[in-house]
Amino acid sequence: DQQVKQNSPSLSVQEGRISILNCDYTNSMFDYFLWYKKYPAEGPTFLISISSIKDKNEDGRFTVFLNKSAKHLSLHIVPSQPGDSAVYFCATNAGGTSYGKLTFGQGTILTVHP
Amino acid sequence: DAGVIQSPRHEVTEMGQEVTLRCKPISGHDYLFWYRQTMMRGLELLIYFNNNVPIDDSGMPEDRFSAKMPNASFSTLKIQPSEPRDSAVYFCASSRDRGRMFTEAFFGQGTRLTVV
Repeated sequence: DQQVKQNSPSLSVQEGRISILNCDYTNSMFDYFLWYKKYPAEGPTFLISISSIKDKNEDGRFTVFLNKSAKHLSLHIVPSQPGDSAVYFCATNAGGTSYGKLTFGQGTILTVHP
Repeated sequence: DAGVIQSPRHEVTEMGQEVTLRCKPISGHDYLFWYRQTMMRGLELLIYFNNNVPIDDSGMPEDRFSAKMPNASFSTLKIQPSEPRDSAVYFCASSRDRGRMFTEAFFGQGTRLTVV
């Protein structure tokens, strides 16, 4: 039973355009939501996060939006660059007594074409 | 800090053999996680430790899998006997315990395991 789902296995975008990556979750107790980026042959690296008390967090070209009523979050990359091509994972903490535990989605492969 | 260090980077073994994966977390981190990455399930949590104590091993697929953390700077994930379906990339990650606050996990570069 996947508590965090990324329903799009892949996304292809033209350089300069917006990339929108989506993620759905099932547990309303989750407190923090994170996005990780992963290049081939490397471990995932933290990109951006958002607390459940907010609905938007921005860091340069990256913005994460949280819709708690829909249990949905998205990552917007504007403008997209070829170097953004990677696998993107959304993740959330388990909440309750397990604040340190992160649950990840299946990942979305983003390809940005020059 | 050198980050989370995993060894070996690649492991090829024959079915039935014992495999041991190693991890050195970031100094001062209280949590240690073992994840497995597959195409179908993405990053799947196998087990995690808090202050060297296993907290949740519900993700360990079978009794063939075991993990230990004898001290704050070292952990192992062992598969005995290994099977071809265990082939995957195994990641170790660590994070700092900040109570009821946001905490990000830092990942090692992973061990690519191939069981033939």
